[in-house]
Amino acid sequence: DTEVTQTPKHLVMGMTNKKSLKCEQHMGHRAMYWYKQKAKKPPELMFVYSYEKLSINESVPSRFSPECPNSSLLNLHLHALQPEDSALYLCASSQGRGNPGTSEQFFGPGTRLTVL
Amino acid sequence: GQQLNQSPQSMFIQEGEDVSMNCTSSSIFNTWLWYKQDPGEGPVLLIALYKAGELTSNGRLTAQFGITRKDSFLNISASIPSDVGIYFCAGRRWGGGADGLTFGKGTHLIIQP
Repeated sequence: DTEVTQTPKHLVMGMTNKKSLKCEQHMGHRAMYWYKQKAKKPPELMFVYSYEKLSINESVPSRFSPECPNSSLLNLHLHALQPEDSALYLCASSQGRGNPGTSEQFFGPGTRLTVL
Repeated sequence: GQQLNQSPQSMFIQEGEDVSMNCTSSSIFNTWLWYKQDPGEGPVLLIALYKAGELTSNGRLTAQFGITRKDSFLNISASIPSDVGIYFCAGRRWGGGADGLTFGKGTHLIIQP
């Protein structure tokens, strides 16, 4: 299995809602990432988990809360979002420490989020 | 923060033509990666480069890691309609561990019939 899967594919939520995005990989990767991508822009890093521990938080507002329950799963909990948070949210994974393949990040298809 | 300058921003070419795009940085990177993204999908890894001067091919795609470690290029030979999409370069600074990628702004490839 060489895939990163993300659910849901599309999500529409109001500013008072609480929702979660899910990401799963079964490649044995030990690093997982959340990126945010606005239309016609490159992906921007939000969070990095390495061996299930949060290692990088790129000054993301607290209304985004990541969680890594185990080495295969990554969640992004959303609460009190703003319309400007509407974007494609991408999950990625890579091998983790110790070899050149660490750099190769494999992306999921993304969740298209719309905040009303 | 770091920025990658990717050019051209867009390319309008005829089917069968060769394509060339490049990325430059003011900082050194240890790894250069090239991705392709189709509308509504996540980026797909095309080529990964790990050593300065390295030249790597993947089918009709060829990419090189610049000697100064501050640039990389991607060539596509004999373009076909399915090559349409947005191509991103991405750089990674550190040699080990997990850290995020810095992306260029993308090259939008359009193939004219």
